[in-house]
Amino acid sequence: AQSVSQHNHHVILSEAASLELGCNYSYGGTVNLFWYVQYPGQHLQLLLKYFSGDPLVKGIKGFEAEFIKSKFSFNLRKPSVQWSDTAEYFCAANAPGGYQKVTFGTGTKLQVIP
Amino acid sequence: ETGVTQSPTHLIKTRGQQVTLRCSSQSGHNTVSWYQQALGQGPQFIFQYYREEENGRGNFPPRFSGLQFPNYSSELNVNALELDDSALYLCASSDDRGDTQYFGPGTRLTVL
Repeated sequence: AQSVSQHNHHVILSEAASLELGCNYSYGGTVNLFWYVQYPGQHLQLLLKYFSGDPLVKGIKGFEAEFIKSKFSFNLRKPSVQWSDTAEYFCAANAPGGYQKVTFGTGTKLQVIP
Repeated sequence: ETGVTQSPTHLIKTRGQQVTLRCSSQSGHNTVSWYQQALGQGPQFIFQYYREEENGRGNFPPRFSGLQFPNYSSELNVNALELDDSALYLCASSDDRGDTQYFGPGTRLTVL
């Protein structure tokens, strides 16, 4: 069965600290991978996505993620977090083309302390 | 902003009632997906509509049904509401390639 796992449920960091959020997926065949962010009171926004090619993808607001096929992982990173990064982060996956059901992880709540 | 809009923003219903939620997709998008996001959980796929036909369904009972209209807007209908149906309902639209979905702000449904 297709699944996405996020092992960090709640992360607290001080401003300027580095961030890495873990994501592992279980999918048969080729997979597209996404990170979405949900700021307090706002809707889900796409941070970045990986379809193919360079496994290191850069997104908005200084975020990046690395696809490691051998580890079935797609971890999200940011070198220096800001208070405005406080939000919930969701890793997600779907199969390319056709029926595009997106499978989400349970989310990681990030709290950045000024 | 993604251009995906949903109405209403909030809704309170009682157990056993029926509800209809609405979604307008982003311009140029012909595929609409609906998700249920319970408190503290990630969104769960309900179903998807492509060019007015259901194109896939998640693990939700038949009392969850939908429609897509010629202008690609969509409705989610839930009959015989249960307390566990209380959640944020998200609509997402995508184009023909559909690999990236863009989400609306959601409708918060509370069932009492």
